Amino acid sequence: EAQVTQNPRYLITVTGKKLTVTCSQNMNHEYMSWYRQDPGLGLRQIYYSMNVEVTDKGDVPEGYKVSRKEKRNFPLILESPSPNQTSLYFCASRKVGVNEQYFGPGTRLTVT
Amino acid sequence: AQRVTQPEKLLSVFKGAPVELKCNYSYSGSPELFWYVQYSRQRLQLLLRHISRESIKGFTADLNKGETSFHLKKPFAQEEDSAMYYCALGLGDSWGKLQFGAGTQVVVTP
Repeated sequence: EAQVTQNPRYLITVTGKKLTVTCSQNMNHEYMSWYRQDPGLGLRQIYYSMNVEVTDKGDVPEGYKVSRKEKRNFPLILESPSPNQTSLYFCASRKVGVNEQYFGPGTRLTVT
Repeated sequence: AQRVTQPEKLLSVFKGAPVELKCNYSYSGSPELFWYVQYSRQRLQLLLRHISRESIKGFTADLNKGETSFHLKKPFAQEEDSAMYYCALGLGDSWGKLQFGAGTQVVVTP
């Protein structure tokens, strides 16, 4: 089944404790993105990647890192999480030339 | 700068009534518009894209370049239409992203 998976789905952590949210897609898509969803703000892009080893900042990259060592994986790294990063995070992928994005199930992160 | 505006945060309609979700955009290039839907506790999924001019689940949307709008309409709302709806603007391959509106929560009551 073609899909985008994320892990973990739920995470509660404390300020400053490094964490990684994984994202994987099995559709051989070139593009992958991370978004955060906040009430009243919709979805805002954090980082995106156009292919292996090619990443760029989205609208709200501060406090986040990403890497793209393999085509299928695009982990989101929070080196020192803060409470303002409490949010619902979505990973998405798409194929070159096709603007439709496929979304993962979301990761609800709470930073206390 | 590109922007997507959804002026209504919440739309409450009765079952069987028409529903229209407004979406306006600003973009200097050639726009590609989408509607995504998120049902409770589920992932976002594509509902409509302006290119295909299709009707999905009774919903339609027409791109009006003169008014820079892409409103979503359904003549008879159903309870299962209750969800969060996002209008999104595709910015092309060089950007690799969608610009989303803030979303409109639709609640259909019996």
